[in-house]
Amino acid sequence: QSVLTQPPSASGTPGQRVTISCSGSSSNIGDHTVNWYQQRPGTAPKLLLYNNVLGPSGVPDRFSGSKSGTSASLAISGLQSEDEGDYYCATWDNSLNGPVFGGGTKLTVL
Amino acid sequence: EVHLVESGGGLVQPGRSLRLSCTASGFTFDDYAMHWVRLVPGKGLEWVAGISWNSGSIGYADSVKGRSTISRDNAKNSLYLQVNSLRPEDTGVYYCAQDRGSYYSADFQHWGQGTLVTVSS
Repeated sequence: QSVLTQPPSASGTPGQRVTISCSGSSSNIGDHTVNWYQQRPGTAPKLLLYNNVLGPSGVPDRFSGSKSGTSASLAISGLQSEDEGDYYCATWDNSLNGPVFGGGTKLTVL
Repeated sequence: EVHLVESGGGLVQPGRSLRLSCTASGFTFDDYAMHWVRLVPGKGLEWVAGISWNSGSIGYADSVKGRSTISRDNAKNSLYLQVNSLRPEDTGVYYCAQDRGSYYSADFQHWGQGTLVTVSS
């Protein structure tokens, strides 16, 4: 059971917009910024967004993030086949005194 | 370009120990905190341990606390993880990850390709 809750799966067709939610509590998302990681099949995870909304150099602006209260979300617009993979949210947890991840959402492009 | 290369994984019997290593290049190693994060089959990513730039601040996940030691050698641009009393639930791919800052946080900026650890008799 992960500290942060994500839907186990999401899907969309090419060109569509998909959102992935991440729900936490006042000891984690409610008090800290959220990061998102993408893990394509057979590859290492990659930082997708940090500080809720910022994308590292090289990440397409099709990826956007938001946070409100104890929840955050990742939106992917103009869905492409290369977006298939697992997506994880992460933040710091005050109670555990360490980083915590969501359980991950498997994105399928139909 | 940042490059992180893990080594030391393999098949290990329950109760035994393992030492993982990570060699870093492409950045000033002693400017950044470092982490070990594992991908557990069927469960996803789990933070294992983190260490600040000067080893002054160290943290562990509850699942490995008391039987694991994270360390670094800045002169060798290397990160290590010693795990004792290995359990089947320690099975997974172990990634070395660079933090965005000097003190460990949830900001895993760059990741290695991982090393597979399988704990089984």
